Amino acid sequence: NAGVTQTPKFQVLKTGQSMTLQCAQDMNHNSMYWYRQDPGMGLRLIYYSASEGTTDKGEVPNGYNVSRLNKREFSLRLESAAPSQTSVYFCASSDVGTSPLHFGNGTRLTVT
Amino acid sequence: SQQGEEDPQALSIQEGENATMNCSYKTSINNLQWYRQNSGRGLVHLILIRSNEREKHSGRLRVTLDTSKKSSSLLITASRAADTASYFCATALLAGANNLFFGTGTRLTVIP
Repeated sequence: NAGVTQTPKFQVLKTGQSMTLQCAQDMNHNSMYWYRQDPGMGLRLIYYSASEGTTDKGEVPNGYNVSRLNKREFSLRLESAAPSQTSVYFCASSDVGTSPLHFGNGTRLTVT
Repeated sequence: SQQGEEDPQALSIQEGENATMNCSYKTSINNLQWYRQNSGRGLVHLILIRSNEREKHSGRLRVTLDTSKKSSSLLITASRAADTASYFCATALLAGANNLFFGTGTRLTVIP
């Protein structure tokens, strides 16, 4: 009964380095999402995938790319990390677009 | 931005008291959802209220929605120390939209 699993839990990068955040869900949900959470800003949507094979930009997509690898997995890639990308990243999934989201426990990323 | 705004930003009450949090938003919605986040964890869905509903209950939670004022409130009755968390409202736009817009949250502290 894992729900949404994110890896890694913590990561420190130097400016310019790249990395991929992994997310997998075992609830057979169609839609998956990547959010970032910053103090005082709430959660902001980076990218989402309404269904397998599709991805769309959210509110703050610049500096990120995503891949919907299959129905279970949705990864987020930072090609050249910047200090402004220091944040907590949450992956979520839902059955359909506006139904309740199920969240992972987050990846805490620091870019120095 | 559609992002909701919660009020107050922080709330501290004694165990057993009721806690009320408010959320305002800007444009027409399909539904409004409330989430809870414990420190260091992902968000957990609490309750969803549709645009044609005015009030909804779930255990000690009561949510109201006033679409004419574009506002919602979350009432937690008989609070417990375990209710200490941040609470977020999230709005889903008209049916067919594929993402939620989150507010900045209310930090609730329940003092034993």
